[in-house]
This record gives sequence, C-alpha cells and structure tokens, in this order.
Amino acid sequence: QSELTQPPSMSGAPGQSVSLSCTGTNSNIGANSFIFWYRQDPGIAPKLLIYHNIKRPSGVPDRFSGFKSDTSAFLAITGLQAADEATYYCQSYDAGLGGPVFGGGTKLTVL
Amino acid sequence: QLQLQESGPGLVRPADILSVTCAVSGASISDRSQSWVWIRQAPGKGLEWIATVSYYGVGTYSPTLEGRGIISFDRPRNRFSLTLTVATVADTAFYYCARRVGRSGDLSDSLDVWGRGTPVSVSS
Repeated sequence: QSELTQPPSMSGAPGQSVSLSCTGTNSNIGANSFIFWYRQDPGIAPKLLIYHNIKRPSGVPDRFSGFKSDTSAFLAITGLQAADEATYYCQSYDAGLGGPVFGGGTKLTVL
Repeated sequence: QLQLQESGPGLVRPADILSVTCAVSGASISDRSQSWVWIRQAPGKGLEWIATVSYYGVGTYSPTLEGRGIISFDRPRNRFSLTLTVATVADTAFYYCARRVGRSGDLSDSLDVWGRGTPVSVSS
C-alpha cells in the first residue's frame, strides 16, 4: 500500500486541462515536506517533472505546474497533448519512514 | 554528465541472495552533495523506496526489507550495491538506483538522475 494516494487513472481530450491529485498525511505532505512529481513512460525510468512543490527543472514546459495545500498536492497539465500520455508519480518524504514515499501513480490517457 | 547503470543477476531462486549494483560515472559517489537511493518497481505496480546510501557509505533501509538489506560501497570502482539476503518472490521487480540531491543543491532532495533499471525475478 502506497504512503501517498493517487487516482489510478485519469483522462482528457487534447487541448484540455487536467489536475492530478496526491493525498498524504501529517507525517509527509502535511509535515511541510517537499512534493516532487515524476513522469514514467512504459519501460523507461521515471523522470523528474516538478520539484519543491512548484518548480520545474530546465526543459519541462510551463504547461506543467504543481501546487500543494495542507496534506494534498496537485499536478496541473494544460493544453493536453498526446505526448503527455504516461504514468505520473508524486513523491514526498516521511519522517517515520526514513526515505522517500511515493504515490501509486496515475496513468494519464489523452483521448 | 552523471550517469547511473544498474546490473543484477536476472534470475534468483527463493531463499538465495539477491544483489544489485549501481555503477556511477560523471560524479564521485563520495561527493558530499548527494546520497544514493534504491527504488524498485514490481510488475505492474508503483515505485517503492527500499534503501538509501549516504556519501560516506552508510545505509538506511525501508522496513519492508525486514532487516534483509546490506549496502556495500566501493569507492575505488565508484559503485555501490544492495544485497537482499533470503530472496522471496515478493522481491521480483525492476530495480533502479537514483541520485538524491543534497540539501545544499538547487534541486535539493530531488531524485534527479535515474539509471535505466535492472530486472530481477525470484523464482524456482
């Protein structure tokens, strides 16, 4: 069972916007731990998409944005493209675990 | 450019030892600006952190390993390994190593560089 909770799947049409949620607890997201988002394509290692809740590494388009509120975090994607189809994982740190905690991943389908 | 390359046994029998290695190029594993993590992904499942090794070679393990994890740190060869004693079917997964950026970096605490992973199957 994942420490962070994500919906298993979401979908949207090209051009639309979607918001992927990530729910934690007071020992991780609610404890003011940073949120990170990763994108994973089939058969490929995850790639960092968002760090420190809202920041984008160089090369990540501004169609991707992150925000956090209390014990939840969200990844917003605007102007959906077919290339955005992937599985998206949220990650934080849990004081009790001693290492990173991940959500179960949300598989995004672009209709 | 930092690159990580995992290697492993491919197939392990239940109760045997499972060992995976991460070879690092483009940075020293002893650099204080980072630590190194092992993450695995069981077939069709999500990501699971299993161990962290500090820049000075000390390991921290997930409780899910139930005390079976052993980290080794090879400074001359710039690589580190994770050994799981008494492998079980539940250890079947793709094993990734990744760099965790240190607290002083711009991307602090990010897992910013990952290897391609190595598959391990535990089966008789």
